[in-house]
Amino acid sequence: KAGVTQTPRYLIKTRGQQVTLSCSPISGHRSVSWYQQTPGQGLQFLFEYFSETQRNKGNFPGRFSGRQFSNSRSEMNVSTLELGDSALYLCASSLTPSGGTNNEQFFGPGTRLTVL
Amino acid sequence: GENVEQHPSTLSVQEGDSAVIKCTYSDSASNYFPWYKQELGKGPQLIIDIRSNVGEKKDQRIAVTLNKTAKHFSLHITETQPEDSAVYFCAARSFNDYKLSFGAGTTVTVRA
Repeated sequence: KAGVTQTPRYLIKTRGQQVTLSCSPISGHRSVSWYQQTPGQGLQFLFEYFSETQRNKGNFPGRFSGRQFSNSRSEMNVSTLELGDSALYLCASSLTPSGGTNNEQFFGPGTRLTVL
Repeated sequence: GENVEQHPSTLSVQEGDSAVIKCTYSDSASNYFPWYKQELGKGPQLIIDIRSNVGEKKDQRIAVTLNKTAKHFSLHITETQPEDSAVYFCAARSFNDYKLSFGAGTTVTVRA
C-alpha cells in the first residue's frame, strides 16, 4: 500500500507570496493532519480534516488555511508569506479522526518551504 | 494545552548497548503516547505507541513504558544498531482537545 505523498517536495517563495501544498493520504484513510516543523519550535500541529470538515486547529494565524476534498486529499495554503514560515510542512493521515480508535498517524515526507 | 518535555536532547551509544529516552507530559487527560523516528530527509515514522490503559508495550528491540501517576513515559531500545541512528520524538494526545503535542526530539547516534 502506498504511503502518504506530498507535493511538491521543495518550494522556494518570496515574502508576500502565497503557497499551496498538497497531500494524498494512505488509501482508505479519511483523516489528514498538517504539522509545521522548524528547528526552533519543533513539530507543531496546524489543523486536522476529516470528511472534508476541519475538526481541530492549532495556534497559527489565519494566513494558514486548509481544505479536504471528497477523495480525502488535502491542501494547505499559506498567504502573505513571511520569512518565519520557512519550515518543513508535514502531512499525516489516519483511518479515523483523533480521539477515535485506529487513529495512529502516518506521516508523509514533507514539503520543504523556503521563504526568501 | 499539553506540554511535553523530552530528555536527553542528544544520546550517543555504542553499538549493542541500550538507549533510553524519557518524556514527561503535563495534561492528566492525555491518553495516547506515540513515538516517532525521523531519519534525515524523511517524515517521522511511527515506531511504537501506548495507550493509558497499558503500562508497558514491547515490539522486538523496542519497548515503551508509561507511568500515569508520575506523568512520564520512556522509550527503550535494546541491542542498538547503526540503523537506529535518527531523531526520536515522543508525543502525547489529550482527550480534552485531541491535538498531538510533540517533544523537542532526541538525536540518537549509534557508534559502530
